[in-house]
Amino acid sequence: QVQLVQSGAEVKKPGASMLLSCKASGYAFTDYAIHWVRQAPGQRPEWMGWINAGNGDIRYSQRFHGRVTITKHTSANTAYLELSSLKSEDTAMYYCARNPPGTVDFDHWGQGTLVTVSS
Amino acid sequence: QSVLTQPPSASGTPGQRVTISCSGSSSNIGTHGVCWYQQLPGRAPKFLIYNDNRRPSGVPDRFSGSRSGTSVSLAISGLKSEDEADYYCAAWDDIVNGLLFGGGTKVTVL
Repeated sequence: QVQLVQSGAEVKKPGASMLLSCKASGYAFTDYAIHWVRQAPGQRPEWMGWINAGNGDIRYSQRFHGRVTITKHTSANTAYLELSSLKSEDTAMYYCARNPPGTVDFDHWGQGTLVTVSS
Repeated sequence: QSVLTQPPSASGTPGQRVTISCSGSSSNIGTHGVCWYQQLPGRAPKFLIYNDNRRPSGVPDRFSGSRSGTSVSLAISGLKSEDEADYYCAAWDDIVNGLLFGGGTKVTVL
């Protein structure tokens, strides 16, 4: 079955960077895109960007002003999210989600990674 | 305006029908299909509806979607206690060139 397994919870200080991973299994990794979505406590989900796991095309949300980098390691079936210059407002649950080609649907989600930014 | 607006809450008794709206504009719902996600407390969102009204395999037919112009709706018929969750609409927006989520509607089963 399709699974997206994310890395564990992190605590970071303001100004630091974080690197989260999302390991896919149960399907052909390069046939789909992986999106990253975050959700602050009590807030709506917020789209951050995506990577086409096949051809490597990437698109980022303008909201993050260049702080976001999404990469992949194809042989490891893993996508990564790096967020730099962390602020307390970046405290949130971060999710990866699988996206079928030609759609904006997220048909499978990872379990989420809680990132806490605190001094 | 690049925002999707949902009512914050909806409720019903078991067996009733509940409808949730999601209002957008020409740059998002007016141009693109809408998805709905169900989020149980403490869990990741779950794919519920795509292309306004299509159900992925495994989603009960109690859940249905519809569209009217730049608004969409999610209906839950035969409400069950297990339907108590937050529901989010989502659509691509051509102005922000990104995916938007609605503010979410908390469904309570009385």
